[in-house]
Amino acid sequence: QSVLTQPPSVSAAPGQKVTISCSGSSSNIGKNSVSWYQQVPGTAPKLLIYENNKRPSGIPDRFSGSRSGTSATLGITGLQTGDEADYYCGTWDSSLSAWEFGGGTKLTVL
Amino acid sequence: QVQLQQSGPGLVKPSQILSLTCVISGDSVSSKSASWNWIRQSPSRGLEWLGRTYYRSKWYNDYAVSVKSRIAINPDTSKNQFSLQLNSVTPEDTAVYYCARSSGFPDVWGKGTTVTVSS
Repeated sequence: QSVLTQPPSVSAAPGQKVTISCSGSSSNIGKNSVSWYQQVPGTAPKLLIYENNKRPSGIPDRFSGSRSGTSATLGITGLQTGDEADYYCGTWDSSLSAWEFGGGTKLTVL
Repeated sequence: QVQLQQSGPGLVKPSQILSLTCVISGDSVSSKSASWNWIRQSPSRGLEWLGRTYYRSKWYNDYAVSVKSRIAINPDTSKNQFSLQLNSVTPEDTAVYYCARSSGFPDVWGKGTTVTVSS
């Protein structure tokens, strides 16, 4: 069972907006920055968001991140079929002295 | 542009040692602003961080509690690479193993190596 909790799946229609939540605790999200990853099956995770809300070069501004208290949220607007993937949140847990990932959320674009 | 190239066997027998290597290009294993990590993924355990090595005037390691008694991550400065050694493996260690650079967060990942533990 993951230290960070994500919904197993979300879905929305093309062009719509979706949010994915990541719930943690005071020792992880409450204390450290969150990053988000996109993983297409059969490939390595790809960094989408770092330090809660920053996008690496090449990531479109359709992807956004936020953090409040012990939770974080990934938002995706203007959904495209190519956005179908698994999404993971991650952060350092200061109590465990370990990097932790959420269980992942499968995004389906209907 | 930083790239990580993984290598190692895809099949390991139970009770034996799993060994993987990750060659770094475009950065240095001795970087004072990065850490070098191993992460694995399986259907049962999801993405699981295993540990890291990093240099801050001397070498440090951190390991996940779940594997702490049987893991070693070592840098090789002469080859600009780092390695994973996991001892006494069981079928539970079957997973895709990734090496990754972290600059405060894993940002560059290797392509992954599928390792099966089976006799």
